[in-house]
Amino acid sequence: AQSVTQLDSHVSVSEGTPVLLRCNYSSSYSPSLFWYVQHPNKGLQLLLKYTSAATLVKGINGFEAEFKKSETSFHLTKPSAHMSDAAEYFCVVSDLRLQGGSEKLVFGKGTKLTVNP
Amino acid sequence: ETGVTQTPRHLVMGMTNKKSLKCEQHLGHNAMYWYKQSAKKPLELMFVYSLEERVENNSVPSRFSPECPNSSHLFLHLHTLQPEDSALYLCASSQDRASNTEAFFGQGTRLTVV
Repeated sequence: AQSVTQLDSHVSVSEGTPVLLRCNYSSSYSPSLFWYVQHPNKGLQLLLKYTSAATLVKGINGFEAEFKKSETSFHLTKPSAHMSDAAEYFCVVSDLRLQGGSEKLVFGKGTKLTVNP
Repeated sequence: ETGVTQTPRHLVMGMTNKKSLKCEQHLGHNAMYWYKQSAKKPLELMFVYSLEERVENNSVPSRFSPECPNSSHLFLHLHTLQPEDSALYLCASSQDRASNTEAFFGQGTRLTVV
């Protein structure tokens, strides 16, 4: 069975400094991995996804994530935080189940990012 | 704007009321989903529809009843809810149910049960 662990429930950075949001996963198969962002009172928006192509994935708004199979990690980074990046971020894993072949998205608990001026 | 629209955005209902949540997508997607987002808990998948057929029900109480009349619309009918059902209900759609297909989410309906 697959699972996702977001190691920090809350991350606080200063504007202009780097962002690192950590995510570790477990999966029985070759997973697809996603990062979603949720701004207050909004739905979830896809930031980026990994689907077994390049291990370094670039997303929207300057975010990127690196798939490291040996570490079972998919950490999200951004070189310089902007005030508008303040939101909650969800790491998601998806793979085929053993039975039935139907996929399932498994969400982490989320990391709330605060950006201080 | 993701192309997935949910109405209403906010809903307050008593425990004896009956109400419905609506979700609409015109992205040509074949799969639609209902999720529940409660404070301090991961998103919980409630129902999955693929090509208008319910393919998954994650042990959701019968007071939640989904309906998918066509590939563009998804409803969640609510009756005799409990206060603990208060949450943000998110609808999503995806092109299909392949593992590498991302989901597009609506803005959610914030439900409060009083």
